[in-house]
Amino acid sequence: DAGVIQSPRHEVTEMGQEVTLRCKPISGHNSLFWYRQTMMRGLELLIYFNNNVPIDDSGMPEDRFSAKMPNASFSTLKIQPSEPRDSAVYFCASRPGTSNTQYFGPGTRLTVL
Amino acid sequence: EDQVTQSPEALRLQEGESSSLNCSYTVSGLRGLFWYRQDPGKGPEFLFTLYSAGEEKEKERLKATLTKKESFLHITAPKPEDSATYLCAVQARGNDMRFGAGTRLTVKP
Repeated sequence: DAGVIQSPRHEVTEMGQEVTLRCKPISGHNSLFWYRQTMMRGLELLIYFNNNVPIDDSGMPEDRFSAKMPNASFSTLKIQPSEPRDSAVYFCASRPGTSNTQYFGPGTRLTVL
Repeated sequence: EDQVTQSPEALRLQEGESSSLNCSYTVSGLRGLFWYRQDPGKGPEFLFTLYSAGEEKEKERLKATLTKKESFLHITAPKPEDSATYLCAVQARGNDMRFGAGTRLTVKP
């Protein structure tokens, strides 16, 4: 079975540019989570969706960050404009409705110059 | 506020030298405690979920235990391939998980 798929795996961009990260959850999972991981702050939850509806976006750092889930098999996390302090690894995770366990994707390493 | 503290930050073991990692937590209404393994450049990989004090789960050389205040991940006779960062997370009210900072384990041959 395919796990959570994220793209791109690596992204290097310049300050001020728009960045879009993509995630395909595991088929049949109805919850999707976006996390950010840095050395300083560890893994932090940014936002999560349940049945494609955003439930809690209190972890989104600023209005520069936005996330969408137009259907059950796709989600995006957008940063506009990007800043060097956004450099981190961004993970997407999904969870089935029958369990509390989240399954993580391989992550996108973002570098903003 | 929910808190998760993992210790030690780093642990170096010789192959075959058993040890334990600690995860202390303070949450209101624990719904689950999770252990994940993370290899460099990869996403966290699920290991165990524990729901109530006294519960234990095992997988190969790993055993996770849970009390009302902490969880231990016991590693018996570790091998170099067990080297990774081990993350603990708790789920309280709501659906989100709070992660600890992790323990970086190195097992030398």
